[in-house]
Amino acid sequence: DAGVIQSPRHEVTEMGQEVTLRCKPISGHDYLFWYRQTMMRGLELLIYFNNNVPIDDSGMPEDRFSAKMPNASFSTLKIQPSEPRDSAVYFCASSPGTREKLFFGSGTQLSVL
Amino acid sequence: EDQVTQSPEALRLQEGESSSLNCSYTVSGLRGLFWYRQDPGKGPEFLFTLYSAGEEKEKERLKATLTKKESFLHITAPKPEDSATYLCAVQVAFGGYALNFGKGTSLLVTP
Repeated sequence: DAGVIQSPRHEVTEMGQEVTLRCKPISGHDYLFWYRQTMMRGLELLIYFNNNVPIDDSGMPEDRFSAKMPNASFSTLKIQPSEPRDSAVYFCASSPGTREKLFFGSGTQLSVL
Repeated sequence: EDQVTQSPEALRLQEGESSSLNCSYTVSGLRGLFWYRQDPGKGPEFLFTLYSAGEEKEKERLKATLTKKESFLHITAPKPEDSATYLCAVQVAFGGYALNFGKGTSLLVTP
């Protein structure tokens, strides 16, 4: 298995632009998580899905952020409009079950200028 | 509020110099405690899961232990390739299935 695949690896954009991050989870995993990592706050949960349904989006910072999972093999995290404070590394992770470990992708380094 | 605190923030060791990393947690109910390793530019990589106080797990030079309030990651005779950030995370019994992470300990092992 190729593991969790995220794209792009790096994204540089200007303030106000729309940003879309993509994630392909490991096949057969029922849970998908989006995390954001910064030096100040560490790894923070944004949202997670179970069987393509959003379960907890309380970590989504504000309405500018939205996430979708249209099928079991694909998820997107969209920021519109982007702001400099959104600059961070965004990780996607998947898990096969409720007490199982999370498998992380390599992340997307987002820089908003 | 559920909290996970890791200490120290950074640790520098000489090769062969054993030490321990600490993860203190305050949660309403622990479903599991997880240790991850993160190398620069990569996602966290799973090391261990501990479920109950008194449990221990080992992998090569690493040993993780768990009490009711904290977990330790013991590193015996570390090598430079053990240099990484070590992350602790808890899964809360009544808080869904996501992991709540500490900020990590950055470990540097010098030859």
